[in-house]
Amino acid sequence: TQLLEQSPQFLSIQEGENLTVYCNSSSVFSSLQWYRQEPGEGPVLLVTVVTGGEVKKLKRLTFQFGDARKDSSLHITAAQPGDTGLYLCAGGPTGANNLFFGTGTRLTVIP
Amino acid sequence: SQTIHQWPATLVQPVGSPLSLECTVEGTSNPNLYWYRQAAGRGLQLLFYSVGIGQISSEVPQNLSASRPQDRQFILSSKKLLLSDSGFYLCAWRPRNRLDTEAFFGQGTRLTVV
Repeated sequence: TQLLEQSPQFLSIQEGENLTVYCNSSSVFSSLQWYRQEPGEGPVLLVTVVTGGEVKKLKRLTFQFGDARKDSSLHITAAQPGDTGLYLCAGGPTGANNLFFGTGTRLTVIP
Repeated sequence: SQTIHQWPATLVQPVGSPLSLECTVEGTSNPNLYWYRQAAGRGLQLLFYSVGIGQISSEVPQNLSASRPQDRQFILSSKKLLLSDSGFYLCAWRPRNRLDTEAFFGQGTRLTVV
């Protein structure tokens, strides 16, 4: 069961451009996480958002959790080639031990 | 510090052969353990998770099974592999009862069924 849909699936942009990746679900999550994965490796956590409406910033990355805790977005400002990778959102239903990942967004930043 | 080991890193197996992938965690106790499968460039599909020894929850009915014979050991198995079992398999752990925390992943196993 795929509970988390990400869009777009692929994104290719020029260095310096801005972009937004979306993560949507019909389910309510106690929290949502964003990971980044390099080829041949496991995902690595970028951020966890817990409160509905929460906004977190990590340098050029801005993460937002929807008010209803069903969706999230990742915005990157002035993308750099080092931002290239597979971005994954993840969440678990409230009170549950399982952790579901989104369908993924492959970002390529062209120098 | 906590570490997670997963092996082998790569595996090429013929159709119909058995499979055993092993994952062990060090430096923590009573972790939640997870097995995921990933198609090329796509998201992770949750296959199994475990909250304790002998406790396995299956998310997707398929040709695979999982076992947790020890607290920090998680094994993914198949009796007869199918071509569709090919993929990148990832083991992960999270602290139990801290459901908002990060999942820590092993390095993955690239399985090719031929």
